[in-house]
Amino acid sequence: DTGVSQNPRHKITKRGQNVTFRCDPISEHNRLYWYRQTLGQGPEFLTYFQNEAQLEKSRLLSDRFSAERPKGSFSTLEIQRTEQGDSAMYLCASSSRGQGEGPQHFGDGTRLSIL
Amino acid sequence: QQQVKQSPQSLIVQKGGISIINCAYENTAFDYFPWYQQFPGKGPALLIAIRPDVSEKKEGRFTISFNKSAKQFSLHIMDSQPGDSATYFCAASITPRVGSYQLTFGKGTKLSVIP
Repeated sequence: DTGVSQNPRHKITKRGQNVTFRCDPISEHNRLYWYRQTLGQGPEFLTYFQNEAQLEKSRLLSDRFSAERPKGSFSTLEIQRTEQGDSAMYLCASSSRGQGEGPQHFGDGTRLSIL
Repeated sequence: QQQVKQSPQSLIVQKGGISIINCAYENTAFDYFPWYQQFPGKGPALLIAIRPDVSEKKEGRFTISFNKSAKQFSLHIMDSQPGDSATYFCAASITPRVGSYQLTFGKGTKLSVIP
């Protein structure tokens, strides 16, 4: 079990630039989640994939955000025209569905700072 | 509207003491209640979880107590150690017919265990 891997760990960018984050889930996990965590808060759900299909999106996910999971393995989260309010830790989690839902395992996140 | 309310915001406990963190929820459809531990710069890690069909679950020094009628659950850390110093999050989710098991998190409790 190599765990959930997220890259980059840190991203600093200027307001208005586009950024893309990558998540590699645990290999046998078919469910993948993106969450956002701001300072002093708990993670908030952004979106959910089952295999390659994006099945749920939170209202927090504005039109500037897009996520993909092209072959049901790794996932990317892109933010276009970044704003100050996008500064946060972006967390990816994965889980499997065997006998019921398995626990969600989180990566160490990508910390985004907007200058 | 915050669906999962967590208290206290911060907690200082002497080494060897008992740490108690409380959570209350609104949505009676929640049927899975995990606790996560997060160290600075790391993603949340699952500690222990409970479903409403039991009132208590114990794993090592960690115990969840669950009160369905009061819609409350709590984490007890026995014999608290300095290495337990971290931020703890309660969470809740609903078992869907289809779709995600997205987690709704509390705001977190920063625990400091002093020698």
